Amino acid sequence: QVQLQESGPGLVKPSETLSLTCTVSGDFISSGTYYWSWIRQPAGKGLEWIGRIYTSGKTNYSPSLKSRVTISVDTSKNQFSLNLSSVTAADTAVYYCARLSTDWSCDFWGQGTLVTVSS
Amino acid sequence: QSALTQPASVSGSPGQSITISCTGTSSDIGSYSFVSWYQQHPGKAPKLLIYEVTKRPSGVSNRFSGSKSGNTASLTISGLQAEDEADYYCCSYARSSNLVCGGGTNLAVL
Repeated sequence: QVQLQESGPGLVKPSETLSLTCTVSGDFISSGTYYWSWIRQPAGKGLEWIGRIYTSGKTNYSPSLKSRVTISVDTSKNQFSLNLSSVTAADTAVYYCARLSTDWSCDFWGQGTLVTVSS
Repeated sequence: QSALTQPASVSGSPGQSITISCTGTSSDIGSYSFVSWYQQHPGKAPKLLIYEVTKRPSGVSNRFSGSKSGNTASLTISGLQAEDEADYYCCSYARSSNLVCGGGTNLAVL
């Protein structure tokens, strides 16, 4: 069974960089069958796609976040990571990592991690 | 504000059928057959219910079905059960390798 697990600080100060890592088990990022994605959800609100990465390192980002987002991959650790710079309170959300199929559906999700932006 | 528009809430009685709409534009739902639907219970991660507009992953009940007409996609749940009470989200591929989602619909089973 494919499992994903997010990890990283739960509290980030305004203007700093939010950094999260997703560890994948039960599948290999290097297999090249799927993309790997980050999605976030502010409390009481909808899902917002952040971006995706392929095993080669090829990325695509949401136009609304593109200027602040970097997603990277470490196939040796079977992990991929999210960096979001210059955060504000509006970036407070539960952040999910997920496996993204070629049909643009997310079939496996991590449990999510709450990141709060506050001084 | 979410890119796709969903009703904030819907309700139904056990055994009934309900439909949740998801309205986009010609740049997303209207142009692509990559619409997916997710179910989310409180405090849990979303679960994939429907992909490619109408397809169900293995293990998802056939009480869940999807469709699309023009710029609007729909999720229908038949034979409502208490366990269906949850939030439901739609997502669609949009041009230039982008994914857009809705604000979610809360389903109450009365």
